[in-house]
Amino acid sequence: NSKVIQTPRYLVKGQGQKAKMRCIPEKGHPVVFWYQQNKNNEFKFLINFQNQEVLQQIDMTEKRFSAECPSNSPCSLEIQSSEAGDSALYLCASSPDSISNERLFFGHGTKLSVL
Amino acid sequence: GDSVTQTEGLVTLTKGLPVMLNCTYQTTYSPFLFWYVQHLNEAPKLLLKSSTDNKRTEHQGFYATLHKSSSSFHLQKSSVQLSDSALYFCALSVMSNYNVLYFGSGTKLTVEP
Repeated sequence: NSKVIQTPRYLVKGQGQKAKMRCIPEKGHPVVFWYQQNKNNEFKFLINFQNQEVLQQIDMTEKRFSAECPSNSPCSLEIQSSEAGDSALYLCASSPDSISNERLFFGHGTKLSVL
Repeated sequence: GDSVTQTEGLVTLTKGLPVMLNCTYQTTYSPFLFWYVQHLNEAPKLLLKSSTDNKRTEHQGFYATLHKSSSSFHLQKSSVQLSDSALYFCALSVMSNYNVLYFGSGTKLTVEP
């Protein structure tokens, strides 16, 4: 069973609607990653955090995507105005540090369908 | 830039046969290579990892050796099982980039009876 909890498992939105998904990292893991896995199974890195601080994010994320990892609350990824091309599996992963990926765990993902 | 190439998109084999899934990478930094396995509707799970040149790493019957001279980290198994049917991803991380993973395009392995 995945130790990283992502909700909802499935999300259906119309074009232009907001889409928000959440991630509870494994306990004690301060580093969180968001990846997008498209229908061709290709992975794209979106953003990562260490505690509440953004470590790195791609340009796309800075426009319609926003993400945060507040203390004592789940991390979240939100798409302000969904587009058909955003339909994908959004995977959250957590790690105990930013030095190594040896103990990186993925959640089951949120499958977003934009109609 | 940093990247990973998996040449086989789809591999179909009969149970009991050996398999090798290819993975090559590009980076100018010291690499850390991973193989992840993703079963249908499940999270990707770490299968193997290595940053040590020419040292074989093994887990659950799968094995791989990082060869920095050829920038390769091929995944092998001597006898595949039906339960090995899944997506396999090779991934690269480098410490200089906050350990962001660069994934290959994946190989879908289907094992038939």
